[in-house]
Amino acid sequence: SQQGEEDPQALSIQEGENATMNCSYKTSINNLQWYRQNSGRGLVHLILIRSNEREKHSGRLRVTLDTSKKSSSLLITASRAADTASYFCATDSKTSYDKVIFGPGTSLSVIP
Amino acid sequence: GAVVSQHPSWVICKSGTSVKIECRSLDFQATTMFWYRQFPKQSLMLMATSNEGSKATYEQGVEKDKFLINHASLTLSTLTVTSAHPEDSSFYICSAFRARNSPLHFGNGTRLTVT
Repeated sequence: SQQGEEDPQALSIQEGENATMNCSYKTSINNLQWYRQNSGRGLVHLILIRSNEREKHSGRLRVTLDTSKKSSSLLITASRAADTASYFCATDSKTSYDKVIFGPGTSLSVIP
Repeated sequence: GAVVSQHPSWVICKSGTSVKIECRSLDFQATTMFWYRQFPKQSLMLMATSNEGSKATYEQGVEKDKFLINHASLTLSTLTVTSAHPEDSSFYICSAFRARNSPLHFGNGTRLTVT
């Protein structure tokens, strides 16, 4: 079962603009991760944020985590056409420690 | 960095045949590997957790006799789709942790088409 939900499901922006994707989850977590998937490929890990962290940066990526609202956001700044991909949040669960469950994902299109 | 290798990357088989997919951790030992299934334009659905030296743990609704998982060593897990049918056509992806609370490393997936 999927415990995460993401919005928007699809996002289309112009190159140079920022893209924000949101993720909500249902149970208590140890950490939340964001992944990227190019069409027909495996997933690439972007950022892992632990439950005791509120914000994390990596290059043009900024992730926030609000455990009180059980939500996270991924911000991609100064987007590029190469950022076109699907983005997924994934959470583990404090009750099912080893499992990582994925949200439905956001399909991002960056128009040159 | 950690690499997970998955083979084959694609396979076409006839209905009724069985297909084996391999997942290897190349530079680390993985006591636990995960098998996911992904339909077009959808997210990854966890099928089962593969545990080295013990039985796999299947998610609700996943037929264990249909999707046989063997984790025979610390670097290899296999998923066998038995008596495949067209509805089994999908993208199957394996993944593994280097350590708990660390990112999952993914194979590049296997596109299975059953005719």
